[in-house]
Amino acid sequence: NAGVTQTPKFQVLKTGQSMTLQCAQDMNHEYMSWYRQDPGMGLRLIHYSVGAGITDQGEVPNGYNVSRSTTEDFPLRLLSAAPSQTSVYFCASSYRGQREQFFGPGTRLTVL
Amino acid sequence: SQQGEEDPQALSIQEGENATMNCSYKTSINNLQWYRQNSGRGLVHLILIRSNEREKHSGRLRVTLDTSKKSSSLLITASRAADTASYFCATDYTGNQFYFGTGTSLTVIP
Repeated sequence: NAGVTQTPKFQVLKTGQSMTLQCAQDMNHEYMSWYRQDPGMGLRLIHYSVGAGITDQGEVPNGYNVSRSTTEDFPLRLLSAAPSQTSVYFCASSYRGQREQFFGPGTRLTVL
Repeated sequence: SQQGEEDPQALSIQEGENATMNCSYKTSINNLQWYRQNSGRGLVHLILIRSNEREKHSGRLRVTLDTSKKSSSLLITASRAADTASYFCATDYTGNQFYFGTGTSLTVIP
């Protein structure tokens, strides 16, 4: 099993550009989530999904969109990047009803 | 914000010593988890303690939970250089949303 994979590992964007961060898991986990990690702030939940076709907002959803068309994939879209979105982004998944989350290796995003 | 806070922010100890870090949170929880993050990598789950449990062990890890004080502690015994990492607590209030603390950076000196 590959676990949770994220692409790309690094990305530099200009303000106003759009992009999609990819996340995939091969463990048949129902629950998937996106976090951002900023220095001194810990991880903050952006969006999460409890199954295909179901998504919901987390603590800091503004500026981000998600969709969940399959169990395996949970992409995160930045429609118009802003410097405040410079961060490290982590995707995680777990079995619903179990709380142990498996994390991907992260995407380091810089918005100029 | 529901984010918890770890204390201390940074901890430096000698190999073989015990390391204790604390987590405080704000409202009633379903469970609390501890994660480890090595530099530049994703988080790895260490242990989960439910709200009706007071203490839990896993290898060299011991976690306690005091719901009256809304706090938890993680004890790593007989620390090793490989334990050098950041440690985060994560609280589960709703069953679907997890709130991570700000982390404790642990350095174990060989």
